[in-house]
Amino acid sequence: SQELEQSPQSLIVQEGKNLTINCTSSKTLYGLYWYKQKYGEGLIFLMMLQKGGEEKSHEKITAKLDEKKQQSSLHITASQPSHAGIYLCGADMTGANSKLTFGKGITLSVRP
Amino acid sequence: GAVVSQHPSRVICKSGTSVKIECRSLDFQATTMFWYRQFPKQSLMLMATSNEGSKATYEQGVEKDKFLINHASLTLSTLTVTSAHPEDSSFYICSAGVEWTQYFGPGTRLLVL
Repeated sequence: SQELEQSPQSLIVQEGKNLTINCTSSKTLYGLYWYKQKYGEGLIFLMMLQKGGEEKSHEKITAKLDEKKQQSSLHITASQPSHAGIYLCGADMTGANSKLTFGKGITLSVRP
Repeated sequence: GAVVSQHPSRVICKSGTSVKIECRSLDFQATTMFWYRQFPKQSLMLMATSNEGSKATYEQGVEKDKFLINHASLTLSTLTVTSAHPEDSSFYICSAGVEWTQYFGPGTRLLVL
């Protein structure tokens, strides 16, 4: 079974619309990371969350980590074609800046 | 800051040959780097943790004699796919950690014919 579940699997939105994607773990996380990937390219770091209830924003993207540190959401406001790509959440499940476990990713398409 | 590079970006090789992939941290030092493998439309799967000056730690199911890792300096880790077979064709990505965040290289696409 997948340790990190991401939902939905894929998403198509009209430009300008808001959207939320999720990442859920069955275990308490030491750290939760959001990355964006274009197919066939490397991962671009977006945000890292460590504390329960933490929320961070960068430009039009906001990420939150729930109080139990088991679920994170990523919200994009007024989506643009540049937001299209694959969003991956990665989790540090053991602590000490160790290896990350990744979800399968969510493919986001934004229609102009 | 925190830039990680990989070389080559793409490589095609014949079955049975060996291929070396380099991962470099350009503007920071990394005592630990990580090697991942990604299949189309799949998640990243950690292959091994590369430790500077010591042996790599391999994940369960990853053959250490097939995927040789050398972390010779604080800015360079190499992954050598030995006796490559078509099933080794994949996208290989490395990462390096800086202050609780892992930064990823652009990846290397390997095609074994």
